[in-house]
Amino acid sequence: AQKVTQAQTEISVVEKEDVTLDCVYETRDTTYYLFWYKQPPSGELVFLIRRNSFDEQNEISGRYSWNFQKSTSSFNFTITASQVVDSAVYFCALTVPNAGGTSYGKLTFGQGTILTVHP
Amino acid sequence: EAQVTQNPRYLITVTGKKLTVTCSQNMNHEYMSWYRQDPGLGLRQIYYSMNVEVTDKGDVPEGYKVSRKEKRNFPLILESPSPNQTSLYFCASSFWGEGREQYFGPGTRLTVT
Repeated sequence: AQKVTQAQTEISVVEKEDVTLDCVYETRDTTYYLFWYKQPPSGELVFLIRRNSFDEQNEISGRYSWNFQKSTSSFNFTITASQVVDSAVYFCALTVPNAGGTSYGKLTFGQGTILTVHP
Repeated sequence: EAQVTQNPRYLITVTGKKLTVTCSQNMNHEYMSWYRQDPGLGLRQIYYSMNVEVTDKGDVPEGYKVSRKEKRNFPLILESPSPNQTSLYFCASSFWGEGREQYFGPGTRLTVT
C-alpha cells in the first residue's frame, strides 16, 4: 500500500520569508509518480507539479521549487519570498501504475499542510 | 478554457432524497474520477472511469453510483443519501496513461441532514 506523510500540519510565515513544505512517501513500487496540489481558500484543487520516480532532477518554476530525493523518499516543496496569495492548503500525492489491479489512477494524498502567509 | 465543471457547487438535502452531482470536462480526457474530502480523513477515491462505459470502485464506493455514457460526463449519484455522506466532493480528469496529472473540478459541498 502507498502512504504519503506531510508532518507539518500548519505553517505560519511572514511575507517574503522562504518556506519549505515536507513530503515523505512510502511505496514498494519502483515506478511511481509524485504530485503537489494547492487548495486555496476558495476550495478548488490546483495542480502544481508532477514528477516520476526516474527523474530526480530538481525543478524550479518562478518562486516555487521542488526537491526530490529517492534516498530519503522525500519530495519537498519550497516557496521563495512567500506572498499572501500563497496562503492555502498544500497536498502532496502519490500514484503507482495499476495499483494491485485496483483503483487505477488513484491518488494517495497526504493530510495536507496549511500555509498561512501574513502581510 | 480547459476545465472540469461540477454542479451544483453547494447542496443541502435531506436523508433519502436521491441526488446527482454532475461533472463535465472539455479536455477530451479518457480518465475521470470522484473523490471526497473529509476532515481528518483527507481525500479518498470513490469511483473512477477509464473510458466510456468503463467504471470501477475506488476506496469508498458504498452508497454511490456512477455512469459514463459520454466521454465528457461522469455524474455521481447518491440514491439514498445519508448524513455520513456530508462531504466536499471533487471530480477529476486526465488523459489515460501512467501517472498523468489529474485536473480537479471546483468541488461540490454536500450537506445531508
